[in-house]
Amino acid sequence: QQQVKQSPQSLIVQKGGISIINCAYENTAFDYFPWYQQFPGKGPALLIAIRPDVSEKKEGRFTISFNKSAKQFSLHIMDSQPGDSATYFCAAITGSSNTGKLIFGQGTTLQVKP
Amino acid sequence: DAGVTQSPTHLIKTRGQQVTLRCSPKSGHDTVSWYQQALGQGPQFIFQYYEEEERQRGNFPDRFSGHQFPNYSSELNVNALLLGDSALYLCASTGTNQETQYFGPGTRLLVL
Repeated sequence: QQQVKQSPQSLIVQKGGISIINCAYENTAFDYFPWYQQFPGKGPALLIAIRPDVSEKKEGRFTISFNKSAKQFSLHIMDSQPGDSATYFCAAITGSSNTGKLIFGQGTTLQVKP
Repeated sequence: DAGVTQSPTHLIKTRGQQVTLRCSPKSGHDTVSWYQQALGQGPQFIFQYYEEEERQRGNFPDRFSGHQFPNYSSELNVNALLLGDSALYLCASTGTNQETQYFGPGTRLLVL
């Protein structure tokens, strides 16, 4: 019940295309859903996050879509660029967004081809 | 303003040995969490320290222990190392009114 399942494991997209990564969860107590971006040799960095009272959140080229009834959420990267090539993790947390225990998905390695 | 720093960057140990990893939180942060990231996997929560006390703990054995100092820096200790402890160990810090946890670059531990 504590798991967050992420797919696909890897993704190859052409420059300018749309990258879509999906996550599903079981624990209905989760109330904050962040996405992290991780480059090789670096720690994860917060990209965008959403709470379940909102169905969509957009920040620049990055959009989170959230389906509370299906317990699913997804990250869309519009106009994907080679610089977006990284590993992306969805996560979920219960309670405080800063002091709670982050539960991460397995990660998606994105490669954007020029 | 320095972000979260961790030392060392890389470490090689043999089975049965003990290891200590160090973390300095971002300036103004008082809460430190440790995560283990196995190759090709997402980070897994080990424990969290606040006011020099362990506040939360994940599903890790007692071989994993920690400490937080009065300056909010933290150590992660792992005893009786196993091959399966080979991973990237991430430290994350946060504080009051912060939206999220900020991760350091990690310490890559290899157990032979």
